[in-house]
Amino acid sequence: EAGVTQFPSHSVIEKGQTVTLRCDPISGHDNLYWYRRVMGKEIKFLLHFVKESKQDESGMPNNRFLAERTGGTYSTLKVQPAELEDSGVYFCASSQTGRTDTQYFGPGTRLTVL
Amino acid sequence: GNSVTQMEGPVTLSEEAFLTINCTYTATGYPSLFWYVQYPGEGLQLLLKATKADDKGSNKGFEATYRKETTSFHLEKGSVQVSDSAVYFCALDTGRRALTFGSGTRLQVQP
Repeated sequence: EAGVTQFPSHSVIEKGQTVTLRCDPISGHDNLYWYRRVMGKEIKFLLHFVKESKQDESGMPNNRFLAERTGGTYSTLKVQPAELEDSGVYFCASSQTGRTDTQYFGPGTRLTVL
Repeated sequence: GNSVTQMEGPVTLSEEAFLTINCTYTATGYPSLFWYVQYPGEGLQLLLKATKADDKGSNKGFEATYRKETTSFHLEKGSVQVSDSAVYFCALDTGRRALTFGSGTRLQVQP
């Protein structure tokens, strides 16, 4: 069974540009989460989808971040325009319906904003 | 709010040494507690978990006991190997489905 995949693995952009990160969850997992780790600090929750609906987006830092999950399969996280403080590693995770205590994580996307 | 505090790293040990990585938490209610591990170049993997007080989670020789009285979930292993070198994250979930993580502790095991 394929795990959670994320694309790209690395992205280097300039301040003011737009970047879109993609996450493909484990097939059949209705729950999808985004987290990020900034500057080697703790990993922080961004948002949670159940299928295509946003269940909890309390961790989204500001309106420069837009997450979508059209069709309830893969998800994208767009940052527009990117700022220096957005640099970090963005993780995606998924879990089965009803089994929200076991989240399976992807390898992360390392974003560097110059 | 909820928070998790881990010991600062890196922790450097010789092979076969005893490992302890401290983790304490602050949370409302009765959280589930987790240890995740990130090996170089890979994503986070669930290492072990405990869902109620006095539960002991264990996996791959690692153990952690949910201590409600001290709000702790320290990770231990009796004899580390070079292959255990990784970053270890303590985390909790109060049922919101949003994990709260500590800052991670890097473990380096030398042969």
